[in-house]
Amino acid sequence: QKEVEQNSGPLSVPEGAIASLNCTYSDRGSQSFFWYRQYSGKSPELIMSIYSNGDKEDGRFTAQLNKASQYVSLLIRDSQPSDSATYLCAVSEAGGSARQLTFGSGTQLTVLP
Amino acid sequence: DAGVTQSPTHLIKTRGQQVTLRCSPKSGHDTVSWYQQALGQGPQFIFQYYEEEERQRGNFPDRFSGHQFPNYSSELNVNALLLGDSALYLCASSLSAGTLSYYGYTFGSGTRLTVV
Repeated sequence: QKEVEQNSGPLSVPEGAIASLNCTYSDRGSQSFFWYRQYSGKSPELIMSIYSNGDKEDGRFTAQLNKASQYVSLLIRDSQPSDSATYLCAVSEAGGSARQLTFGSGTQLTVLP
Repeated sequence: DAGVTQSPTHLIKTRGQQVTLRCSPKSGHDTVSWYQQALGQGPQFIFQYYEEEERQRGNFPDRFSGHQFPNYSSELNVNALLLGDSALYLCASSLSAGTLSYYGYTFGSGTRLTVV
């Protein structure tokens, strides 16, 4: 049974701070890693994807991957109230075609003005 | 460029009934996946359709079935509804390819199913 675990929330940070979201996965064969943002009552929206060990930065977001530790994280710098949402970590196997995603249960982030 | 469209947006059904949910993929996408998201949980993979066939299936009973049409649109059918089937049902479309890469899922806005 492939599992994806996320740090339990909810997580509250003040506006302008760095929010750190963590995720571990059980399947060593996983090759693709994603962070989705989901506002209440809405569908998930892809914000970051990462495939290689190390850091990947996109604006205020940085994804970090450590395959040896089976760990992936998301840092949100200069957090804004509009970042308040549930963040879902998702993992996929390698493969030639689009594969199923295994999601964690999500971490609810609240950015306080 | 239309994204993924799902219908209906909300649905209330009685236990034991059958339901059909519909999905039109994003233009250019050929693969459709269905996910179930219970309240407070992450989405769970139901199955994936490509070339009108079920290519992968998650840990869901046979009461859950699907179909993909030649225009890549898809339906999710659930028979003998249980109270526990109440959830947000998400359709995600993507582009299948033969290279080792991920082409990104685009999720629809979902169908909120309530079983009473």
